[in-house]
Amino acid sequence: GENVEQHPSTLSVQEGDSAVIKCTYSDSASNYFPWYKQELGKGPQLIIDIRSNVGEKKDQRIAVTLNKTAKHFSLHITETQPEDSAVYFCAARVNFGNEKLTFGTGTRLTIIP
Amino acid sequence: NAGVTQTPKFRVLKTGQSMTLLCAQDMNHEYMYWYRQDPGMGLRLIHYSVGEGTTAKGEVPDGYNVSRLKKQNFLLGLESAAPSQTSVYFCASTTGLSKNIQYFGAGTRLSVL
Repeated sequence: GENVEQHPSTLSVQEGDSAVIKCTYSDSASNYFPWYKQELGKGPQLIIDIRSNVGEKKDQRIAVTLNKTAKHFSLHITETQPEDSAVYFCAARVNFGNEKLTFGTGTRLTIIP
Repeated sequence: NAGVTQTPKFRVLKTGQSMTLLCAQDMNHEYMYWYRQDPGMGLRLIHYSVGEGTTAKGEVPDGYNVSRLKKQNFLLGLESAAPSQTSVYFCASTTGLSKNIQYFGAGTRLSVL
C-alpha cells in the first residue's frame, strides 16, 4: 500500500520567516495530495490540496509544489504569523474509488514571536 | 451547520470494558472514516464505509468493529478495551465525488487503564 513520509517532525521559525514541510510518497499511482492543519484540541482541517496534473498551487501565503518524478510534495508558508502554529499533515490518495487517504506523521510548527 | 459531531469527547475505560463511539454528519456524505491518532504516528485508518450498510477494514482494524446502519451515523465499537487502544479517535466524512475534502470531527480522547 501507499506509504507517506513527512519531515521534519518539529519546526520552529521566527515570525515573518518562511516554513517548508516536505513529504514523499511511494505509490506512483497516487493522484491527489492534500494538506491538513490541526490546531490544539481540534480535528484536522484542509488548507490546500493539489492534483497530480498540476505542479504548483498557491493560496495567499500558502503554496504546495509537487514533483511526480521524484514522488515528493512540499508545503510552503510565507510571512508566517503566530496563528500558523499548529500540527500539519500531508496525505496522498490512490484512487481506488474509496477515497482513502494515507497520512504522513505530522509536523509541529511553532512560530516564534 | 454542525458538520461532523463525535460523542463522547472524553472517556476513561478499564481493561476489558466495552464502549461505542458515535460519529454523526449532517452533510449527506456517502463516505465515512474512523482514524486513530497517536504521537509520532499521524492518523491511521481503522475502518471506513463507502455508503449506508457497508463497512471495510483500514490499516489498523484489529480490536474494533463498526456499523453504518444509517447514512448519517458511523459507530466505532471496542468490545474488550486494551491499554494499546488508548488514543485520540477522529471521524471524518466526504462526498465521494472528485473533490475529496475529508471533514473531521473534534475527536474523542480515550484512555484505557
